[in-house]
Amino acid sequence: EPEVTQTPSHQVTQMGQEVILRCVPISNHLYFYWYRQILGQKVEFLVSFYNNEISEKSEIFDDQFSVERPDGSNFTLKIRSTKLEDSAMYFCASTAVGGETQYFGPGTRLLVL
Amino acid sequence: GESVGLHLPTLSVQEGDNSIINCAYSNSASDYFIWYKQESGKGPQFIIDIRSNMDKRQGQRVTVLLNKTVKHLSLQIAATQPGDSAVYFCAEPFNAGGTSYGKLTFGQGTILTVHP
Repeated sequence: EPEVTQTPSHQVTQMGQEVILRCVPISNHLYFYWYRQILGQKVEFLVSFYNNEISEKSEIFDDQFSVERPDGSNFTLKIRSTKLEDSAMYFCASTAVGGETQYFGPGTRLLVL
Repeated sequence: GESVGLHLPTLSVQEGDNSIINCAYSNSASDYFIWYKQESGKGPQFIIDIRSNMDKRQGQRVTVLLNKTVKHLSLQIAATQPGDSAVYFCAEPFNAGGTSYGKLTFGQGTILTVHP
């Protein structure tokens, strides 16, 4: 069964460093999303992406965040200068054109020290 | 608004019992809802969805009920098993029209613990 994959599963970084979180959406999907979940809290929307551009972004997704579809399979989330409060699980999700269900990856646990 | 909330943060049941997890929403225009299951250390996993033109939808051991009058939906799990232990979220696409192309708004989540 096709699934969304994410790498790395865990990332530890120093405050101020740049991190890139990677996702491989399901192959025939064209809508992509990033969400984050701070420990013990609900899943929060960050950004949606379609046709090589951002469709929508939340207040959390400030200038320190960016997304990219560098090739036909990867979808990345970059945090330019990490802050302590960026520590969270980051989930990638994708949806097929005409589909309604967002399928989530297993997440990347980011810890900023 | 885009509020999707849950009544109870935790639910403990015995193996074999039926479980009912509740969710309230505030936007009367909402017309599509999704239940996700999240196991520890994993991403949300789709369980079942329902459109507002339905009151009930059944899957394998799960049933979702939608009461539009009181803006409430519930997830019923029959014969709950230890493997059902997880956090359960109701979620709602923010876009009017119920497509999932937009962001999902998640509720806080209910922790279901199934005791053998």
